Amino acid sequence: GQNIDQPTEMTATEGAIVQINCTYQTSGFNGLFWYQQHAGEAPTFLSYNVLDGLEEKGRFSSFLSRSKGYSYLLLKELQMKDSASYLCAVRDDGAGSYQLTFGKGTKLSVIP
Amino acid sequence: GAVVSQHPSRVICKSGTSVKIECRSLDFQATTMFWYRQFPKQSLMLMATSNEGSKATYEQGVEKDKFLINHASLTLSTLTVTSAHPEDSSFYICSAEPGTGGETQYFGPGTRLLVL
Repeated sequence: GQNIDQPTEMTATEGAIVQINCTYQTSGFNGLFWYQQHAGEAPTFLSYNVLDGLEEKGRFSSFLSRSKGYSYLLLKELQMKDSASYLCAVRDDGAGSYQLTFGKGTKLSVIP
Repeated sequence: GAVVSQHPSRVICKSGTSVKIECRSLDFQATTMFWYRQFPKQSLMLMATSNEGSKATYEQGVEKDKFLINHASLTLSTLTVTSAHPEDSSFYICSAEPGTGGETQYFGPGTRLLVL
């Protein structure tokens, strides 16, 4: 099975940098994903890590350490529109499927 | 990026009726589609994995006779909530993966179901 932990809520200031951590314990691992979800909407894909290290995409970066079961999502130059829930998800490679198990999400509030 | 649509986006129905939700991949073929349910302030919970041409695989605790899944083609999967009750009110989201081993799943916009 999968156990994924991330903080419930975070608050950060517009223009600042925020790091959202995610730890996981899995029986199988085939990648870690970060999604952004605005209230009442479906998740949108942000990043994907399958190897250790940092992946950068514009204002968003994601880091993975497989040995530590740890990832973080880094958001730079925060904007008000970044206020949303950020979901960490682990893909299992068991049984020939590519199922995602989601953490409970971190609700980020960006304040002026 | 790949586009997944869902229909309807919102439905209100009386207790005891059945509701069908469609999930379509618009610009790619999806061998596998996933159905999730999300209650308020909760994360997405996988309900079932739907493979084209075969029976869906349901997660533990999800009643297969209540949540009927049909993956009739490589671009369409349907979820039917049979004899819906107020506790079935939730946000239902589908996702589709291009081929197998794709980098990510692409999510539909979701269907908000309210059972009165």
